Amino acid sequence: GAGVSQSPSNKVTEKGKDVELRCDPISGHTALYWYRQSLGQGLEFLIYFQGNSAPDKSGLPSDRFSAERTGGSVSTLTIQRTQQEDSAVYLCASSSRGAGGRETQYFGPGTRLLVL
Amino acid sequence: AQSVTQLDSQVPVFEEAPVELRCNYSSSVSVYLFWYVQYPNQGLQLLLKYLSGSTLVKGINGFEAEFNKSQTSFHLRKPSVHISDTAEYFCAVSRTGTASKLTFGTGTRLQVTL
Repeated sequence: GAGVSQSPSNKVTEKGKDVELRCDPISGHTALYWYRQSLGQGLEFLIYFQGNSAPDKSGLPSDRFSAERTGGSVSTLTIQRTQQEDSAVYLCASSSRGAGGRETQYFGPGTRLLVL
Repeated sequence: AQSVTQLDSQVPVFEEAPVELRCNYSSSVSVYLFWYVQYPNQGLQLLLKYLSGSTLVKGINGFEAEFNKSQTSFHLRKPSVHISDTAEYFCAVSRTGTASKLTFGTGTRLQVTL
């Protein structure tokens, strides 16, 4: 079946502009995660959604970052008033709970964001 | 909270030689353990995982890893590497029992040469 897809694959924007990044998880997966990969910080957790529960936003670096998940499927990560330090690869992952609550996250190819 | 340490940022190795990529973790709760591989300009691909049971786990592409609870380690090994194994390898942990974020190590760049 289809894996996790993300769009756009690359995004170049000017400092101060808003950007939206999209993630389509694997069909039927109940959990969706956003991570950021940057040279200085490595791979960092940003936010995750689990079913109808309130999202865990503990990794969002500032209030310029927000995310939503519509209908329990597609998710959009929005960065307002982008800064140069927001330049990174944004990775989305999804998972489904296996037996006993175990889970494995499957990643999309990422969106490479460059803020000029 | 959990943390993951990958001490080796780069590991150069000749083709057909064995390799071990080291991973140590710290956690106050039980964890699941994962190794992911990232090829240039691609996302993360799951190599293998330890959830429970046998401490020796086998993954794709001939890789295996052994969970050592007393040493809090989960080292990745391959008996004979190939040029195509050149990539970045990430060790990660998550809490058991519920959907949980991954905490990653800083990655190890495996460079295989002829």
